[in-house]
Amino acid sequence: GDSVTQMEGPVTLSEEAFLTINCTYTATGYPSLFWYVQYPGEGLQLLLKATKADDKGSNKGFEATYRKETTSFHLEKGSVQVSDSAVYFCALTGLGGYSTLTFGKGTMLLVSP
Amino acid sequence: AAGVIQSPRHLIKEKRETATLKCYPIPRHDTVYWYQQGPGQDPQFLISFYEKMQSDKGSIPDRFSAQQFSDYHSELNMSSLELGDSALYFCASSLRQAGDIQYFGAGTRLSVL
Repeated sequence: GDSVTQMEGPVTLSEEAFLTINCTYTATGYPSLFWYVQYPGEGLQLLLKATKADDKGSNKGFEATYRKETTSFHLEKGSVQVSDSAVYFCALTGLGGYSTLTFGKGTMLLVSP
Repeated sequence: AAGVIQSPRHLIKEKRETATLKCYPIPRHDTVYWYQQGPGQDPQFLISFYEKMQSDKGSIPDRFSAQQFSDYHSELNMSSLELGDSALYFCASSLRQAGDIQYFGAGTRLSVL
């Protein structure tokens, strides 16, 4: 079945550092890929998405590129802020997107001043 | 913009009691999903509805049931509650013809004592 593997956290960075959170997936066909963010005590917010190979999703300074050849969707940000501290989930949906989300285990990011 | 509304936000129940969680999707969204997120875990899909009909079923226990009503709101009914049912329950909604992107509510935190 479909699965998502994320790097384990927590990832601890100083403000303005470069961020990479690795995500790889296993799925049949061409899934849509997503990053969701969960701030403490809150629900899941869609951060960015990509629906086909080589698409780049971006939002709030975060980027991720859909790499079919490496089955990856790594999340990057050039300069993190304390307010970026949260748990980040990589996720996918199956063919046509008409299916449920399969999530990775989540990666906690802690940014210190 | 209107978001997914879940109620209640917090719920405390005793073992063997019942609980009902409600979800009001984004207006004009036709699909509702329910997910369960245990402490420190990734969200796990429970069940979904499209146009008021059950669409897909995940790891939902037989003690749980759900439905989507004519106004598109959904309810998750949980009976014979167990300690292990303590979790954050998310509802998400989407519009299939708009790419089926799932938008999540803030969740209901259920504590079973």
